[in-house]
Amino acid sequence: GAVVSQHPSWVICKSGTSVKIECRSLDFQATTMFWYRQFPKQSLMLMATSNEGSKATYEQGVEKDKFLINHASLTLSTLTVTSAHPEDSSFYICSAKTSGRRETQYFGPGTRLLVL
Amino acid sequence: QKEVEQNSGPLSVPEGAIASLNCTYSDRGSQSFFWYRQYSGKSPELIMFIYSNGDKEDGRFTAQLNKASQYVSLLIRDSQPSDSATYLCALYTGRRALTFGSGTRLQVQP
Repeated sequence: GAVVSQHPSWVICKSGTSVKIECRSLDFQATTMFWYRQFPKQSLMLMATSNEGSKATYEQGVEKDKFLINHASLTLSTLTVTSAHPEDSSFYICSAKTSGRRETQYFGPGTRLLVL
Repeated sequence: QKEVEQNSGPLSVPEGAIASLNCTYSDRGSQSFFWYRQYSGKSPELIMFIYSNGDKEDGRFTAQLNKASQYVSLLIRDSQPSDSATYLCALYTGRRALTFGSGTRLQVQP
């Protein structure tokens, strides 16, 4: 299957700082990437859809000014958690969608964020 | 009614048995169906996809799709303790992102 990477895999930061997470599709071009968040023992929650060359589409209840998404190229999307607080501590996972007749989503390995 | 429904489990099977995981969906227009496996603390990993009615086999895994009854299932033959994970059913319902079920936790007892 296709390969998606995420960096960093772990972040520990102080409250009030901003954290940037990168998501890369390594062996295919992805016009669409997605950002999910998952709290312990809970389901994946879609936060936003990242569109190459245009603004991201946010799910209801997700603050677009807090979670900044940039999809500057066909292989890179970034999520910046601005002014992070302890309640933002979570497992952030990106996925990239292949294009073509049979689209498929592949997930990155995830980034675990801990805000102190 | 949720768009994608799965029994949360846990589903417990002995090692070597067949594990049967089921998923029902509400949107009759859904065309593509996926099974992801998620180990605790890890991200989901795609293990099967199916587009047509019937069975699709890949090693120990068989996906079954019945569009008339709106269900998709995953069978795992010769279950191993390493198969213990949460299995997520997902499908495209017309949105750009996959719609996921909440997952079924499978426990394979040695």
